[in-house]
Amino acid sequence: AQSVAQPEDQVNVAEGNPLTVKCTYSVSGNPYLFWYVQYPNRGLQFLLKYITGDNLVKGSYGFEAEFNKSQTSFHLKKPSALVSDSALYFCAVRDSGNTPLVFGKGTRLSVIA
Amino acid sequence: GAGVSQSPRYKVTKRGQDVALRCDPISGHVSLYWYRQALGQGPEFLTYFNYEAQQDKSGLPNDRFSAERPEGSISTLTIQRTEQRDSAMYRCASSGRTGGEQYFGPGTRLTVT
Repeated sequence: AQSVAQPEDQVNVAEGNPLTVKCTYSVSGNPYLFWYVQYPNRGLQFLLKYITGDNLVKGSYGFEAEFNKSQTSFHLKKPSALVSDSALYFCAVRDSGNTPLVFGKGTRLSVIA
Repeated sequence: GAGVSQSPRYKVTKRGQDVALRCDPISGHVSLYWYRQALGQGPEFLTYFNYEAQQDKSGLPNDRFSAERPEGSISTLTIQRTEQRDSAMYRCASSGRTGGEQYFGPGTRLTVT
């Protein structure tokens, strides 16, 4: 069965500094990996995905994520954080079969001016 | 274009009543997914459809929960004889193809009193 771990409930970073939100996963086959962001009173918004190809994936709003097969990780990164990046971030995984998407419990990012 | 819409946005019902939650996916999207999200947690899979066919309902908690998508577009999630433990945010998502990135609606906040 698939699973996702987001080890940090909360990440605090100063505006302008680089940010990292961690995610590790477990799947039985090849992973399909996703990051979503949730702003207050809004639905989840798709940020980026890894299916195959380059390990570094670029997504919306300047975010990127690096797929690391040996460490089974898919950490979300951004070189320079903005206050407007403050939100709840979810990592999700499914395998290459027709299986449901499994989400982590989320990491709350707080960017301080 | 228009995104995924859900109605109602908020629903308060008394224990024992039936409720129907509606999801209108992005036009032309093949797959439609239902999730339930408790406070402080990531979305948990309930069921999904390809066109009008329900592909997987393994996430439905019990037989009080059912879903349909009769014409392969709008879907309804029905909860019969609601209980307080059913209170949660119910989210719908659609994707252009099975396994593709999912686009989420704003959710229906269900409160059972």
